[in-house]
Amino acid sequence: GAVVSQHPSWVICKSGTSVKIECRSLDFQATTMFWYRQFPKQSLMLMATSNEGSKATYEQGVEKDKFLINHASLTLSTLTVTSAHPEDSSFYICSARDLEGPETQYFGPGTRLLVL
Amino acid sequence: GQNIDQPTEMTATEGAIVQINCTYQTSGFNGLFWYQQHAGEAPTFLSYNVLDGLEEKGRFSSFLSRSKGYSYLLLKELQMKDSASYLCAVRDRGNAGNMLTFGGGTRLMVKP
Repeated sequence: GAVVSQHPSWVICKSGTSVKIECRSLDFQATTMFWYRQFPKQSLMLMATSNEGSKATYEQGVEKDKFLINHASLTLSTLTVTSAHPEDSSFYICSARDLEGPETQYFGPGTRLLVL
Repeated sequence: GQNIDQPTEMTATEGAIVQINCTYQTSGFNGLFWYQQHAGEAPTFLSYNVLDGLEEKGRFSSFLSRSKGYSYLLLKELQMKDSASYLCAVRDRGNAGNMLTFGGGTRLMVKP
């Protein structure tokens, strides 16, 4: 099946710093990638839809200036959490849709962010 | 938007059968997905239904009734490793990029 990777797996940072998370589709091209956030014992909450070569579409309540998304190529999308605060601590998961494959989204392994 | 409801928690016994229900409301239904998520891990795809009926995949089956806005995931011959959260997700034609909207997830605990 299609593989999506995320880097890094774990991040611990001080409040006020910026953190970049990479999402890569390893064996397929994805014009659309999705970024989710998941708090403990809660379901996935879509943050934004990342489109290759264009601006991301953010969900209501998600600050686009705080969560910067760049989808520079068909295999890479990045999420930058700017000026991170403890309340941004969460599990961030990306997914990508395989254009040529079945109608599913393939999820990355997730990035756990802890802001001190 | 879409409303997706599923039970919060369920408990079942090893070797038994369990059915996890999901109801949804959406204007432009374009597919329903079930994902399994173990604690601390990303979701993994289980099944996809877009037409009414039952899709069977080994120990897991998923059913869809579009007229009722209803789906269920059936797990047979439960194993301890099936303890996980099961997420129901719906795709709507009106959503950009074929994005999915997830229900709150059902935490299944399998006991010996």
